[in-house]
Formats: sequence, structure tokens, C-alpha cells
Amino acid sequence: AQSVTQLGSHVSVSEGALVLLRCNYSSSVPPYLFWYVQYPNQGLQLLLKYTSAATLVKGINGFEAEFKKSETSFHLTKPSAHMSDAAEYFCAVRVQGAQKLVFGQGTRLTINP
Amino acid sequence: NAGVTQTPKFRVLKTGQSMTLLCAQDMNHEYMYWYRQDPGMGLRLIHYSVGEGTTAKGEVPDGYNVSRLKKQNFLLGLESAAPSQTSVYFCASSDPGTNYEQYFGPGTRLTVT
Repeated sequence: AQSVTQLGSHVSVSEGALVLLRCNYSSSVPPYLFWYVQYPNQGLQLLLKYTSAATLVKGINGFEAEFKKSETSFHLTKPSAHMSDAAEYFCAVRVQGAQKLVFGQGTRLTINP
Repeated sequence: NAGVTQTPKFRVLKTGQSMTLLCAQDMNHEYMYWYRQDPGMGLRLIHYSVGEGTTAKGEVPDGYNVSRLKKQNFLLGLESAAPSQTSVYFCASSDPGTNYEQYFGPGTRLTVT
């Protein structure tokens, strides 16, 4: 069965520093991969998605993620953190043929001034 | 275009009471989902539907029932609420035409005392 592991339930970076949120998946077939962001007291919104086109995917708010099949990873990065990036981030995987997503446990990102 | 809406936004129940949460989407999506979100546990799928008149169990279905009588609506029922059902509930919808990207509602915060 497919699964998603997010390394680090809490990540803290300084404003202007690199943001790196880690996501590894397990799947025996090429997956679709997603990153979602959840701001306090809101629902989840899509940051970006990989659907077997380009392996480097650019999303909203300056975020991007690279699909690495050999490492079964889909890490989320942003070159320079902004205070408004403070939120919880979820990685999710959908295996082709499945009708639902499997979500990771989430990583809470804190930005220090 | 409202997207996914949820009613109510907040609710307090006493143990043993029943209630129904309503989810509505205006994007003509085929698939709809109910999740619960608890601290440290990410999102867990309760039930989902792949079309009008169909429902299926997710990861944590016990104590919940659902119905999809109309394509745009997905109802989540609690017949006899328990304190363990205190949570934030999210509805989502998706469609094969959008690579199963899920669109989320704003959530319902339920407290069972």
C-alpha cells in the first residue's frame, strides 16, 4: 500500500533563509504527488502537484518541489522564507488507479524574525 | 463560484446526540471526501464517494455514516456522538479531469462534551 512520510513534524527557519520540507513516499507504480498548505483555522489549499510531466514543479508563493524517483522523494523548497509562510504543510500521494489521496502527518513551519 | 462549502462552521454536542454535517460543491466534481483532523495525526479519511448514490469506507469510518443523494452534496452523520469524535472535519472534492487534485472546504469544528 502506498504511504507518505514527512520528516520532521516541526521545522523552524529564520526569515530569508532556505525552506526545506521533506517528503518520501512508497509506491510500486509512478505516483501523483501533491503539496498542500494549511493556514491557521483554514482548509487546505494546493501549493503544487506532480503528475508525471516535468520533475521540477513550481507552485504558488515561490515554492517548488523536485520529484526524484531513485530517492522516492518529493521535497518542498523555497529559497527565501517569508513570515507569511508560517503554516502547516502536507504532502500527499495518489497512485494511478486509486480514487483517493494518502496524506502525510504534516510539518508545521515556523518563521523566526 | 464558491468551491466547497461546509455547514455548520462550529458545533457543540452532548454525548449521545446526533447531527449531520453538510458539504456542498459547485464544481461538478465526481468524487467527494470527508476527513477528520486531529493534532499530530494529520488528515484521516472517514468516508468517500465516487459518484452520486455511491459511498465507500475510508480509514476511520466507525461511528459515522454518509449519503450522496445529489452529486453536489455529501452528508456526514453522527448518530450518537462520543467525546472521541471531537475534531475538525474537512470535506473535499476532486475529479479525474483535474488529476484528482482535491479542493477543500473551510472545515467544521465539532466539540462533543
